[in-house]
Amino acid sequence: ETGVTQTPRHLVMGMTNKKSLKCEQHLGHNAMYWYKQSAKKPLELMFVYNFKEQTENNSVPSRFSPECPNSSHLFLHLHTLQPEDSALYLCASSQVSGGTNEQFFGPGTRLTVL
Amino acid sequence: AQSVTQLGSHVSVSEGALVLLRCNYSSSVPPYLFWYVQYPNQGLQLLLKYTTGATLVKGINGFEAEFKKSETSFHLTKPSAHMSDAAEYFCAVSPPSGTYKYIFGTGTRLKVLA
Repeated sequence: ETGVTQTPRHLVMGMTNKKSLKCEQHLGHNAMYWYKQSAKKPLELMFVYNFKEQTENNSVPSRFSPECPNSSHLFLHLHTLQPEDSALYLCASSQVSGGTNEQFFGPGTRLTVL
Repeated sequence: AQSVTQLGSHVSVSEGALVLLRCNYSSSVPPYLFWYVQYPNQGLQLLLKYTTGATLVKGINGFEAEFKKSETSFHLTKPSAHMSDAAEYFCAVSPPSGTYKYIFGTGTRLKVLA
């Protein structure tokens, strides 16, 4: 595997389900990000992890719970979601020290909440 | 605070015609600037970036952009559109250092007509 991978690519869940999204980066980066991409809206930064520590939480509802066990893996745990949470969830990674912070994106998980 | 404005949510050009996608930014310090492309059902891929130095930046797939500080612009151009250029394009800005945050524009969907 190369770059940034995300699983699953598609997910359909009911409002009472619990599921998790997984992201893995194979680039040796030290920062990872979760973004939400909804139709007709700008990309929304949700969470940032730098060296496994959460450094940003953009007022994301608690039904979204991130986890970063190491610099290569990032999870987004989902529970009791709402239909308006349906979106494309993108993971990205970057090397933030001494570089341009160029972010590399995964292919995304298309989430549908019924 | 930084912001990014992309004029035109949809742009149509004929195959072989000039592509011009507009991006204006607002920033209190000279920013880093990026253009990303997103093909259907995929994540974002970096086209090109400006950090410092030469203001005309060349990227992949024949695209280029010019940083114009006086106009606070970073427009994306390609001399001759190809059918494979049909995608959504995002402009992003970040401060030059000390933060991990990108501010994205709302995107421009490029349609190439045969």
